Amino acid sequence: EAQVTQNPRYLITVTGKKLTVTCSQNMNHEYMSWYRQDPGLGLRQIYYSMNVEVTDKGDVPEGYKVSRKEKRNFPLILESPSPNQTSLYFCASSLRQGMNTEAFFGQGTRLTVV
Amino acid sequence: GQNIDQPTEMTATEGAIVQINCTYQTSGFNGLFWYQQHAGEAPTFLSYNVLDGLEEKGRFSSFLSRSKGYSYLLLKELQMKDSASYLCAARGDYKLSFGAGTTVTVRA
Repeated sequence: EAQVTQNPRYLITVTGKKLTVTCSQNMNHEYMSWYRQDPGLGLRQIYYSMNVEVTDKGDVPEGYKVSRKEKRNFPLILESPSPNQTSLYFCASSLRQGMNTEAFFGQGTRLTVV
Repeated sequence: GQNIDQPTEMTATEGAIVQINCTYQTSGFNGLFWYQQHAGEAPTFLSYNVLDGLEEKGRFSSFLSRSKGYSYLLLKELQMKDSASYLCAARGDYKLSFGAGTTVTVRA
């Protein structure tokens, strides 16, 4: 089954404790991205990747890191989480940018930083 | 930069029609998407427009006017299961940017 898989689905952590949210897709998609979703603000892009070893900042990259060592995986790293990073996070992938290709979303990770 | 506006909430009766408007300002524009998102779930793709005009897909239709930076999503024969948030998203400059979403409530 074609899908985007995020883990964990729920996470409660403390300020400053490094964490990684994993994202994996099995559709051989080139383009992957991370979004955070907050009430009243919608989905805001954190980082995106056009292909392996090619990443770039989205609209709200501060406090986050990403890597794209393999085509299927695009982990999101919070080196020192803070309470303002409490949010619902979505990973998404699409075949490539610049074409009529829809984005497929993972099921989301609800992160709480206390 | 990207700027996308859509109404916050709409309410309609089962069986009725609802139109959700979206205006956008997007550099390097190359497509307008609509997604549906039920509470606590991931967004799912509904429609895509890149040329001016209407795209029809069953009970859902989407319209685009590139010159006006305007799109709408039309939901016909509303059903209770259509109660959800509808997200307008514009693609440009290698990014897909989303509006805040319109929460549609369908009442019996």
